Amino acid sequence: AQTVTQSQPEMSVQEAETVTLSCTYDTSESDYYLFWYKQPPSRQMILVIRQEAYKQQNATENRFSVNFQKAAKSFSLKISDSQLGDAAMYFCASSDSNYQLIWGAGTKLIIKP
Amino acid sequence: EPEVTQTPSHQVTQMGQEVILRCVPISNHLYFYWYRQILGQKVEFLVSFYNNEISEKSEIFDDQFSVERPDGSNFTLKIRSTKLEDSAMYFCASVPASSYEQYFGPGTRLTVT
Repeated sequence: AQTVTQSQPEMSVQEAETVTLSCTYDTSESDYYLFWYKQPPSRQMILVIRQEAYKQQNATENRFSVNFQKAAKSFSLKISDSQLGDAAMYFCASSDSNYQLIWGAGTKLIIKP
Repeated sequence: EPEVTQTPSHQVTQMGQEVILRCVPISNHLYFYWYRQILGQKVEFLVSFYNNEISEKSEIFDDQFSVERPDGSNFTLKIRSTKLEDSAMYFCASVPASSYEQYFGPGTRLTVT
């Protein structure tokens, strides 16, 4: 069975600085996908970034990038130039060929003005 | 841009009552999912639905739960006899044929009293 672990319940960062959220996963699948979702207080689930496991190149989306270490089963999210609007819960998730998502426990990101 | 919609946004019900949560996935999507998130906890997979039948379900998805796609557009989750512990956010998601990305609805907040 797949598992996803986020070891940081809460992180804080000064506005405009960079923060990295950690995620490790375990899967026996050879073909899988990894995601970071943002959940603001409205509780809507918003996709931040995604990575196909077969791709070696790390995904980037504007200020968001990942460090995907396949051998170590690590998938961390880096947020550059943090903004107040980035404050939210961040969930790491993985999916297999059935596309079913397995979720981490989440990291609460606090942005200090 | 097409969106997944869910109704109602908030449902309050008494213990033992039946509830139906409704979702309208994006029209050309083929895979459908229900997840739940108890307040302060991680998101949990409930069930996946493909080709008009359940493709996978979790241990949470017991006989009290059922899903239907009655008219080719709506995708419903029914809880027959609600319990206090069913109080949670329920998210619907859908996936198109050509992708693996799940598109989430805004969620239904279910409160069982």
